[in-house]
Amino acid sequence: AQSVTQLGSHVSVSEGALVLLRCNYSSSVPPYLFWYVQYPNQGLQLLLKYTSAATLVKGINGFEAEFKKSETSFHLTKPSAHMSDAAEYFCAVSDRNRGSTLGRLYFGRGTQLTVWP
Amino acid sequence: NAGVTQTPKFQVLKTGQSMTLQCAQDMNHEYMSWYRQDPGMGLRLIHYSVGAGITDQGEVPNGYNVSRSTTEDFPLRLLSAAPSQTSVYFCASSRGHGRGGPTYNEQFFGPGTRLTVL
Repeated sequence: AQSVTQLGSHVSVSEGALVLLRCNYSSSVPPYLFWYVQYPNQGLQLLLKYTSAATLVKGINGFEAEFKKSETSFHLTKPSAHMSDAAEYFCAVSDRNRGSTLGRLYFGRGTQLTVWP
Repeated sequence: NAGVTQTPKFQVLKTGQSMTLQCAQDMNHEYMSWYRQDPGMGLRLIHYSVGAGITDQGEVPNGYNVSRSTTEDFPLRLLSAAPSQTSVYFCASSRGHGRGGPTYNEQFFGPGTRLTVL
C-alpha cells in the first residue's frame, strides 16, 4: 500500500512570506499525486494534481508543486501567503495500478497552515 | 449543479443505535467513496463503489455497510454505533473512466457529516 508523509502538522507564516508544505510518498513507481485544501467546516477541494506531464504543476490560488522523483517528494509552495490561505492542506496519492486499489486515495495526515498578519 | 450533497450535517447517537448517512451526486460520476476524518489521521477510506451494484471495502470498513442501487446515491449505514465511530464523514465522487480511471480523476467531496456517538 502507498503511504504519504507530510512533515509538520502545523506551519505558521506571516502574510507575504513564502509557503512551503512538504509531502513525501513511498512508491517505487511514481503515483498520481494530489494536493487538497480544506477550509474550516468544509469538504476538501482540489488544489492541483500531478499525472506525469510537467513536473512543475500549477494550481489554483497561486499554489504550485514540484514532483521530484529522486526525492519521492511533491512539496507545495506559494510565493506570498495571504490570510485567506489559512486552512488544512492534505497531500494524497493514488496508484497507477487499476487492480485492487482502483480509485483509492491515500492521504497524509494534513498540515494546518496559519497565516499571521 | 449541486455537486456532492450529504445529510445530515450533524448527528448525535447513543451507543448501539443505527443510522444511515446519505450521499448524493448529480454529476453522473461512476466512482463514489466514503472517508472518515479523525484529528491527526488524515482521511481514511471506509467503502467505495465503481458503479451501481458494485461496492468494495476500504481501509476501515468494520461497523459500516454500503449499497449502490443508483448512480446518484451511496448511503453509508452504521449498524450499531460505537464511540470509536465519532468522526467527520466525507463522501466523494469522481469520473470512473478516462485515462487512468478514477485514480487519475479529481475526486469531488461533500461538505461532511459530523457524527458524535455517546
